[in-house]
Amino acid sequence: DAEITQSPRHKITETGRQVTLACHQTWNHNNMFWYRQDLGHGLRLIHYSYGVQDTNKGEVSDGYSVSRSNTEDLPLTLESAASSQTSVYFCASSERSSGRGEQFFGPGTRLTVL
Amino acid sequence: AQSVTQLDSHVSVSEGTPVLLRCNYSSSYSPSLFWYVQHPNKGLQLLLKYTSAATLVKGINGFEAEFKKSETSFHLTKPSAHMSDAAEYFCVVSDLRNAGNMLTFGGGTRLMVKP
Repeated sequence: DAEITQSPRHKITETGRQVTLACHQTWNHNNMFWYRQDLGHGLRLIHYSYGVQDTNKGEVSDGYSVSRSNTEDLPLTLESAASSQTSVYFCASSERSSGRGEQFFGPGTRLTVL
Repeated sequence: AQSVTQLDSHVSVSEGTPVLLRCNYSSSYSPSLFWYVQHPNKGLQLLLKYTSAATLVKGINGFEAEFKKSETSFHLTKPSAHMSDAAEYFCVVSDLRNAGNMLTFGGGTRLMVKP
């Protein structure tokens, strides 16, 4: 069965360190997304990609970067982790569409920045 | 711009009683609307979606939602709550201008089910 996986599931790091969260999907979807989930804010879009070599900033992109070198993967990098980036991070993917299709979500990565 | 308002941050019901989770949306174009459920420490799972076909949409686990354009609402209902329904529920909108299928999430409603 097709799926979307994230690793690690839990990560503790220190302020100032670079961190990369992995996202891998086997749906063969063109669109991929990264969100963060915080109490009181729901899910907020960090970055998204419509295909290989395409990346775009979302609502809360400061301090984060992504790269898309193939269809299956969209790693999220925190260049210099800050305590404000402690959150749960979700990756999602969807088919290329006119806006009708749902997104499929990974299980999430809980990141703690000390 | 599109937006979603979930009118209740918390809803508490007794097992076996009806569930109503309220959602209002704003969209300049014909929207697609979704309800997702998130169980504790889990990812988001699609419950149901409306994409301009029938206005009454049936989803998994006995949930359904009715799209009411005149009221800009998409409330989620279930006739009889089960303990396993306790979770966070998100109402989500996407509109035709979003060629890339970007979603806007409501703030979520936590459903509690009492025995």
